[in-house]
Amino acid sequence: GAVVSQHPSRVICKSGTSVKIECRSLDFQATTMFWYRQFPKQSLMLMATSNEGSKATYEQGVEKDKFLINHASLTLSTLTVTSAHPEDSSFYICSAPGTLRETQYFGPGTRLLVL
Amino acid sequence: AQSVTQLDSQVPVFEEAPVELRCNYSSSVSVYLFWYVQYPNQGLQLLLKYLSGSTLVKGINGFEAEFNKSQTSFHLRKPSVHISDTAEYFCAVSVWGDDKIIFGKGTRLHILP
Repeated sequence: GAVVSQHPSRVICKSGTSVKIECRSLDFQATTMFWYRQFPKQSLMLMATSNEGSKATYEQGVEKDKFLINHASLTLSTLTVTSAHPEDSSFYICSAPGTLRETQYFGPGTRLLVL
Repeated sequence: AQSVTQLDSQVPVFEEAPVELRCNYSSSVSVYLFWYVQYPNQGLQLLLKYLSGSTLVKGINGFEAEFNKSQTSFHLRKPSVHISDTAEYFCAVSVWGDDKIIFGKGTRLHILP
């Protein structure tokens, strides 16, 4: 079946630095991708919808300038956490809808730790 | 707007016993319903989904769920659980024609030996 990959799987960075997370759809194209964050022992919260060739749509309460999203091609979306702080430490998961009706493929997630 | 409520944050159950994980949703329009499983330190895996048709949906690993429109519920069941079912289970909803998925808070299933 369709696969979504994320890179890196884990990242540790210093406070104040920026971190880029990649989400790729393998063997299928995705004009739309979704970014979620998951705090420990909590649910996935939708952060934004990434749209190929246009601006991302952010959910209420998510800072656009803090979480930069770029959907550069039909198989790649990137999430950049700018000037990361310890409170940004979380598990970030992306997903992409597949060609089968209402099928969503999730990436394995990226665990970010900001020191 | 749509929302999903998972009433139980944790459910302990003995191995080989049956289990039901509860899920209720709220929506003013027709929805699709999903159950996902997340094993420790892993991503999400789709267990099953309800799109239309038969209200009883069978998924992977012996799980099934029943869509009840009048009660706006989509409870997940398994007749006999195994230690390997230890995981976090998320109920989720999406609106017809929209790929966006909204998740419940999750239920942690503890299998007791």
